[in-house]
Amino acid sequence: NAGVMQNPRHLVRRRGQEARLRCSPMKGHSHVYWYRQLPEEGLKFMVYLQKENIIDESGMPKERFSAEFPKEGPSILRIQQVVRGDSAAYFCASSPLAGSKYNEQFFGPGTRLTVL
Amino acid sequence: EDKVVQSPLSLVVHEGDTVTLNCSYEVTNFRSLLWYKQEKKAPTFLFMLTSSGIEKKSGRLSSILDKKELFSILNITATQTGDSAVYLCAVYRDDKIIFGKGTRLHILP
Repeated sequence: NAGVMQNPRHLVRRRGQEARLRCSPMKGHSHVYWYRQLPEEGLKFMVYLQKENIIDESGMPKERFSAEFPKEGPSILRIQQVVRGDSAAYFCASSPLAGSKYNEQFFGPGTRLTVL
Repeated sequence: EDKVVQSPLSLVVHEGDTVTLNCSYEVTNFRSLLWYKQEKKAPTFLFMLTSSGIEKKSGRLSSILDKKELFSILNITATQTGDSAVYLCAVYRDDKIIFGKGTRLHILP
């Protein structure tokens, strides 16, 4: 039973390039969450998606960041025109049901983005 | 604004000591409080607390929630070097989790 998978694990981009981070939730999970962890800071919620729907994007920066979770395939977090301040670890988590009593979110290993 | 505050931010103790990590919160639509352990990778789930006053235990770790005073503690007894990690407290509200900044625990051999 594979856990949450993220790729790539490490991504290096130059300023101005695009970064695409992928997340495949656990089998049977239809809810995906993206978090960002800046150096020496806690995890910060970015966006919550269900298949083909963005439920809550209150933590997403207004510009350059977007997320999707298509009917088929992984969830994608896309960062356009990256800047040095985007360097962080990006974690994806999945859960089976929203509003369920069993609302643990299972985390992927993260993608460490470095912007040169 | 919702917030989750952990204390201390860092802690250094000797192997065998007992530690208590604190987490206070101010969150609307509270559903549950979660504790995670984060080493050099993704956080791993430790406990979920929903009801006040009921202690959850797992080996040397235990945790309890006080919904009246809006805080939780995580206890680790007989600490080992493998307990060195960042311990994250988080509150689940609606459909998202709000994390504290974590307590960095370092166990000296």
